[in-house]
Amino acid sequence: KAGVTQTPRYLIKTRGQQVTLSCSPISGHRSVSWYQQTPGQGLQFLFEYFSETQRNKGNFPGRFSGRQFSNSRSEMNVSTLELGDSALYLCASSEGLAGSTDTQYFGPGTRLTVL
Amino acid sequence: GIQVEQSPPDLILQEGANSTLRCNFSDSVNNLQWFHQNPWGQLINLFYIPSGTKQNGRLSATTVATERYSLLYISSSQTTDSGVYFCAAKTWDNNAGNMLTFGGGTRLMVKP
Repeated sequence: KAGVTQTPRYLIKTRGQQVTLSCSPISGHRSVSWYQQTPGQGLQFLFEYFSETQRNKGNFPGRFSGRQFSNSRSEMNVSTLELGDSALYLCASSEGLAGSTDTQYFGPGTRLTVL
Repeated sequence: GIQVEQSPPDLILQEGANSTLRCNFSDSVNNLQWFHQNPWGQLINLFYIPSGTKQNGRLSATTVATERYSLLYISSSQTTDSGVYFCAAKTWDNNAGNMLTFGGGTRLMVKP
């Protein structure tokens, strides 16, 4: 099976702009989670989508949003970009059985730079 | 929520040496994974190990769930083992969905 794919791999934006990142999970996986990695805060959970519904959300402002499509592909959007949004954004894919043992697989990430 | 702590934060080894990385977690878990982050940022799965012991080549891992810790062993280290190692855990709380909580990582440098 193909792994988790993320596009684009690199992005450069300016403050105030918005950005959309895409994640395609492993075939058959219904859960997609998003994480932000920064040198100061480490790896932090943004949100998880399962069967087109947001199942859990981390402690991020409303400028961060996401959605999931019927084919399980997911997008996340960041509006009104701030310098502090510069980070590596990672998406994880799993079968999505909440409360069960469920290995998560990560994509290569999108590196966002906000100038 | 669950807290995950890793030690040591930094480790420098000579090629061929062995090492042990530790991960402590504050709550019962139904998922514990070890990852190696490559230079390009991708998290490579090493082990899925909520309990017990597993081995994969020069790497092995042990999780003692009742004592809330996990260990990653690297034997005969190679320069290609360099990078950051993360452990991540998920609790039995169904409201948490699939959320993984990550430790701060151990940055390993293997010198030739």
